[in-house]
Amino acid sequence: DIQVTQSPSSLSASVGDRVTITCRASQSISTFLNWYQQKPGTAPKLLIYSASTLHSGVPSRFSGSGSGTHFSLTINGLQPEDFATYYCQQTYKTPPETFGQGTNVEIK
Amino acid sequence: EVQVLQSGAEVKKPGESLNISCKVSGYNFLSYWIGWVRQVPGKGLDWVGIIYPGDLDIRYSPPFEGQVTISVDKSVNTAYLQWDSLKASDTAIYFCARLHSDYTSRYFDSWGQGTLVTVSS
Repeated sequence: DIQVTQSPSSLSASVGDRVTITCRASQSISTFLNWYQQKPGTAPKLLIYSASTLHSGVPSRFSGSGSGTHFSLTINGLQPEDFATYYCQQTYKTPPETFGQGTNVEIK
Repeated sequence: EVQVLQSGAEVKKPGESLNISCKVSGYNFLSYWIGWVRQVPGKGLDWVGIIYPGDLDIRYSPPFEGQVTISVDKSVNTAYLQWDSLKASDTAIYFCARLHSDYTSRYFDSWGQGTLVTVSS
C-alpha cells in the first residue's frame, strides 16, 4: 500500500492567516493527490484534485501544489468557514486509495 | 444535478447482518465507480472499496476484504455495503461517493450524507 503522511495533525490559526498543510507519499504518485475538507457532522467535500486543480465552486483562496511525493494545500486568508479538518488522498494506486490522517484547523 | 442519498442510521447487535444503501441520480450510473469510506467517530477516513456498475468490477482495501461485500442493483441505481456478521468494531459512519476517473485524475466528487452504523449488545 502507498502510505500518505499529513502534517501537522492540528494547527491553530487566526482569521486572515495563511495556512499550509503538507502531505507526503511513501512513493511517487505523480499528481494523483486530492484534498478534501470535512466539517463536524457532515460528509467530506472535494477541494482540489490532481494536486493543483480547484474543484468547481471552491474559493480561490485554496490552492494546491506538488508532484511525486511532496504536496501542499495552502489557504490564503483563512475565513471563519474554513475551520475544519482537511484530508489528502492518493489515487495513484488502488486498492486502497489511501487518505492521510487529517489536519484539524482550529481557531486561535 | 448529481445526488447521492444514503439509507438511515442503523443499530444492530453483534453477529447480526446488515445492508446499507446508496442511491444515486443525475448521471449515468453505469459509467462511474462508486466507493465506500468508513469513519470511526472522532477518527479519520478509511477507504473501504469501490465498484464499477458497468461491469461489476470490485476492489477492496485489504483490511475490509472478506469482512464486507459491495454490490449494486442497476435497476434502481443503488449501491450497497453488506455485512453478514457485524462486530462492535464495525461501529462507524459509512459514506458512499461517486468516483470520477480518467487518465489524469481520479477523485470522489459527490458524497452521500453518511450512514451511522452502531453495533452494540
